[in-house]
Amino acid sequence: GEDVEQSLFLSVREGDSSVINCTYTDSSSTYLYWYKQEPGAGLQLLTYIFSNMDMKQDQRLTVLLNKKDKHLSLRIADTQTGDSAIYFCAESIQGDMRFGAGTRLTVKP
Amino acid sequence: DGGITQSPKYLFRKEGQNVTLSCEQNLNHDAMYWYRQDPGQGLRLIYYSQIVNDFQKGDIAEGYSVSREKKESFPLTVTSAQKNPTAFYLCASSLRGEDTEAFFGQGTRLTVV
Repeated sequence: GEDVEQSLFLSVREGDSSVINCTYTDSSSTYLYWYKQEPGAGLQLLTYIFSNMDMKQDQRLTVLLNKKDKHLSLRIADTQTGDSAIYFCAESIQGDMRFGAGTRLTVKP
Repeated sequence: DGGITQSPKYLFRKEGQNVTLSCEQNLNHDAMYWYRQDPGQGLRLIYYSQIVNDFQKGDIAEGYSVSREKKESFPLTVTSAQKNPTAFYLCASSLRGEDTEAFFGQGTRLTVV
């Protein structure tokens, strides 16, 4: 497809793990990103992965990359109420960035 | 501290008026970008610039104009020709050609009444 695709909504209970999935468009993408947007704020870069990696872990965040299927996921362990936000997947293609529509994560106490 | 600054955070304009959104960075980045965000949609690229005095149209450039007279600055003008200008506008910058992380400003919410 031509769009970076994400599911629009995800709801989890506090303490559970969250997994946000993304399908990107171009197998030549060099970097893949996860951004977090809180209400009234700009995008905050959470983590990124270079295309020659399969996995990257950073504290509670784990990024998995399946290049064959052009699938990217973000796992948040021990999800907290402060993790409630919109999460954007993005790919970088020769300096141009394409974003998904964002997944709204709601964390219930 | 290095960073990218957009101003103002909120902007109101009357229909039919042009308005210019400011974006400044002191990261020594060559590339700068303007995106628009509408509810339920991903960011859409309006214009981008890989080097001073050069810029290219993105996916939704109609009704917008930009300039890149200085490396640090990439102002976006929303003209009266833009049919639906009310939106959240994000500016970003990155190192050119290296596909490293992009840094984003805090965004400007433009409301046209």
